[in-house]
Amino acid sequence: DAGVIQSPRHEVTEMGQEVTLRCKPISGHNSLFWYRQTMMRGLELLIYFNNNVPIDDSGMPEDRFSAKMPNASFSTLKIQPSEPRDSAVYFCASSTRQGSSYEQYFGPGTRLTVT
Amino acid sequence: AQSVTQLGSHVSVSEGALVLLRCNYSSSVPPYLFWYVQYPNQGLQLLLKYTSAATLVKGINGFEAEFKKSETSFHLTKPSAHMSDAAEYFCAVSDNTGGFKTIFGAGTRLFVKA
Repeated sequence: DAGVIQSPRHEVTEMGQEVTLRCKPISGHNSLFWYRQTMMRGLELLIYFNNNVPIDDSGMPEDRFSAKMPNASFSTLKIQPSEPRDSAVYFCASSTRQGSSYEQYFGPGTRLTVT
Repeated sequence: AQSVTQLGSHVSVSEGALVLLRCNYSSSVPPYLFWYVQYPNQGLQLLLKYTSAATLVKGINGFEAEFKKSETSFHLTKPSAHMSDAAEYFCAVSDNTGGFKTIFGAGTRLFVKA
């Protein structure tokens, strides 16, 4: 069974450009999470969805960030315009259902570099 | 609100020695607790989880953790370190009061010396 799939694995872009990160959760999982990992701030939850509906986006840093989940098998995280401080590894994770006892399954991450 | 503190950002052990990674949590209700491991250039993967069953939880790769309510701790141990255990380890907590969010600790990087 395929795990969480993220694309691209690496993205290098110039400041001001639009960046779109993609995620395909594990089939049958109802919850999807977007995280950002940096040396300075560690692992930060940006937003999570349950049954394709955004539940909590309080971690989204600012209006330049947006996330969508048009269906159960696909989600995007968009940054427009991108800035050098957005450089980080972005992880997508999915879980079987919304619930505190359920572990999350992480994708391999997208390493974003904004120059 | 729940929170988790990992003591020590870096831990170094010799191969064959005991591994002890410390985690303390804060939660107003019975928590669910997790340990995840992250190898270089990979995502996090679950090592083990506590969900109010047995207080001693066994995970993959010989790791185990003990839930101690009186100490609000969930330390991760392994009797004998292997070179392949070198990675970053994250403790995490969630409960039903946090909107089902999982809060991750800052992580502890484990170094294993030959």
